[in-house]
Amino acid sequence: DQQVKQNSPSLSVQEGRISILNCDYTNSMFDYFLWYKKYPAEGPTFLISISSIKDKNEDGRFTVFLNKSAKHLSLHIVPSQPGDSAVYFCAASSRNTGKLIFGQGTTLQVKP
Amino acid sequence: EAQVTQNPRYLITVTGKKLTVTCSQNMNHEYMSWYRQDPGLGLRQIYYSMNVEVTDKGDVPEGYKVSRKEKRNFPLILESPSPNQTSLYFCASKSVGDRLYTGELFFGEGSRLTVL
Repeated sequence: DQQVKQNSPSLSVQEGRISILNCDYTNSMFDYFLWYKKYPAEGPTFLISISSIKDKNEDGRFTVFLNKSAKHLSLHIVPSQPGDSAVYFCAASSRNTGKLIFGQGTTLQVKP
Repeated sequence: EAQVTQNPRYLITVTGKKLTVTCSQNMNHEYMSWYRQDPGLGLRQIYYSMNVEVTDKGDVPEGYKVSRKEKRNFPLILESPSPNQTSLYFCASKSVGDRLYTGELFFGEGSRLTVL
């Protein structure tokens, strides 16, 4: 049972355009959400997070949007750069367990 | 430099030959965890530890063992590896307290294991 789903295995965008990565979750107890970025031959690194009391969090070119009623979050990268090419993992946790559940990952390719 | 160090980074072994993947962190983190990454399945938790001598199963613990005798080390043990344990393994750590569920996880660089 995949509680956190990233239904797009891959995404390709042109440099300078917007990248939108999507994530859906099923467990209504999740109240904290994170995005991690992973380059080949490296471990995932934290990118940005959002609490369920917010619907938007912005950090430079990266913005995460949360739609609790739809149990959906998205990561926007504007403008996209070739260095953003990586695998992006969505993750969710709840105050009750503290356990982090990851999605399957989306591979983003930003073309020059 | 704050880091999580895993060894070996790459390993090819045969079915049934016991192996240990070591993990060490230098950030004095209480929480440590092991994940495996498989195509189409993302990162799945194998075992985690809230502190020294405190370990618990994650989502896919079968075939694995762990120990936490020291705060900085959290080795993953495969007593009798099988081909379905061929995967990319990540160790991770974080600080806990009131940041248990919001704290950032720090990952090692990964250990690619192939079991023939």
